[in-house]
Amino acid sequence: QKEVEQNSGPLSVPEGAIASLNCTYSDRGSQSFFWYRQYSGKSPELIMFIYSNGDKEDGRFTAQLNKASQYVSLLIRDSQPSDSATYLCAVSESGGTSYGKLTFGQGTILTVHP
Amino acid sequence: DTAVSQTPKYLVTQMGNDKSIKCEQNLGHDTMYWYKQDSKKFLKIMFSYNNKELIINETVPNRFSPKSPDKAHLNLHINSLELGDSAVYFCASSAQGRPQHFGDGTRLSIL
Repeated sequence: QKEVEQNSGPLSVPEGAIASLNCTYSDRGSQSFFWYRQYSGKSPELIMFIYSNGDKEDGRFTAQLNKASQYVSLLIRDSQPSDSATYLCAVSESGGTSYGKLTFGQGTILTVHP
Repeated sequence: DTAVSQTPKYLVTQMGNDKSIKCEQNLGHDTMYWYKQDSKKFLKIMFSYNNKELIINETVPNRFSPKSPDKAHLNLHINSLELGDSAVYFCASSAQGRPQHFGDGTRLSIL
């Protein structure tokens, strides 16, 4: 059974702080890694994706991947109350031409308080 | 313009009924998916179609039957609805080698 594990939280950080969200996965064949944000009652929204070891930055968001440790993380700098949501880590075993099936973690609830 | 649209947004029905959910994407993507999100917010894939061909079929009761009339549409028909089918069903689509984008979801409640 391929698994993706996240700390369900809630993770509470003050406004302006760095929020660190972590995810581990069991399948060493995993090729592609995604972070989705889901507001309550809304659909998952893609935040970041990464498929190479190291860091990938996009604005206030940084995704970090360590395939040897089977670990992927998302850092949110200068956290804002509008960042309060559930963050879903998703992993795909397919690389190359298709991302294929996504296996999701259970999500981490992030609360940013003023 | 809505990229991935699902209808209906809400569906309340009695146990034992048969219902369908429709999904359409106008992104030109070649792959579409159905996911189920349960009350604990756990999101799990059910089916995937690539250019109208079924490519992913997870362990789902055969009361659930997907159908893709063309690569822009993917429907989900559910027979003999049970209480445990209550969930949010998300449609998603992706282009070759690109991440998946989700529709707004269909909230199914079984009475």
